[in-house]
Amino acid sequence: QSALTQPRSVSGSPGQSVTISCIGTSSDVGANSYVSWYQEHPGKAPKLMIYDVSVRPSGVPDRFSGSKSGNTASLTISGLQAEDEADYYCCSYAGSFTWVFGGGTKLTVL
Amino acid sequence: QVQLVQSGAEVKEPGASVKVSCKASGYTFTNYYMYWVRQAPGQGLEWMGIINPRDGTTTYAQRFQGRITMTGDKYTSTVYMELSSLRSEDTAVYFCARAVSNHFDCWGQGTLVTVSS
Repeated sequence: QSALTQPRSVSGSPGQSVTISCIGTSSDVGANSYVSWYQEHPGKAPKLMIYDVSVRPSGVPDRFSGSKSGNTASLTISGLQAEDEADYYCCSYAGSFTWVFGGGTKLTVL
Repeated sequence: QVQLVQSGAEVKEPGASVKVSCKASGYTFTNYYMYWVRQAPGQGLEWMGIINPRDGTTTYAQRFQGRITMTGDKYTSTVYMELSSLRSEDTAVYFCARAVSNHFDCWGQGTLVTVSS
C-alpha cells in the first residue's frame, strides 16, 4: 500500500496557526475514523498527539486539533510555539490489520 | 509507568539477519498488541507489522513478507523482530510501539541497524 500524502514542509510564526494535510484513499483515511498524528523531534521517538481523528491524549496541549473530511485528514496547530518545531506524521488504519503512515511534514517555526 | 526498552545498535553485513528486542514494563504485556515501525536516515516512518503477544499471531506489511518474523515471550514481557536477507536499504532506526485500539501510545527508544560490508 502507498504512503499517505503530506506536504514536505510548512511554516508559521509564533502565535500563528498552521494546518498539515494528510491525503489518503477510500481504503484507509476515508474508510474509518482511525487516523492518528505523531510529533517527532530529532533523535527522539515519535509522540502521539492525536488519535481517532480528533482525540487528544492527556497532556497534549489543546492547541493541537485534528479533523477529517473524506479521504483527507488534517492536523491544526494554533498559537504556534517554538517547541512545536518538529516533524509530524499521520497514520491511518488501512484494513486487514495493516497501517500506513504519511511521508512526514517538517514544521518550521519562523 | 509504561516503558518499552529496546536492544542496542547493530551492525550487520549484507545478507545477514538481525534480531531486535523490545522489553515492556508497567502494564500487562498480553493485553496490548505491539507494532514495529522503522525509519531510514532522513526518511519517514514505515509500518512493518504487528504481533499479538497473547497468542503470537502476526500481520506483516506486504513488502516485508518472507523476510520478517515477529515473536513474543510472555514470561519476560519481550517482543522480538527479526529481519533477514539484509540489504543496505534496511539501514534504519527500528521502533517498537504499543498498540492501543488503532494508534501507538508508547514507543521504544529505537534501535539503529546499520547494514554495511
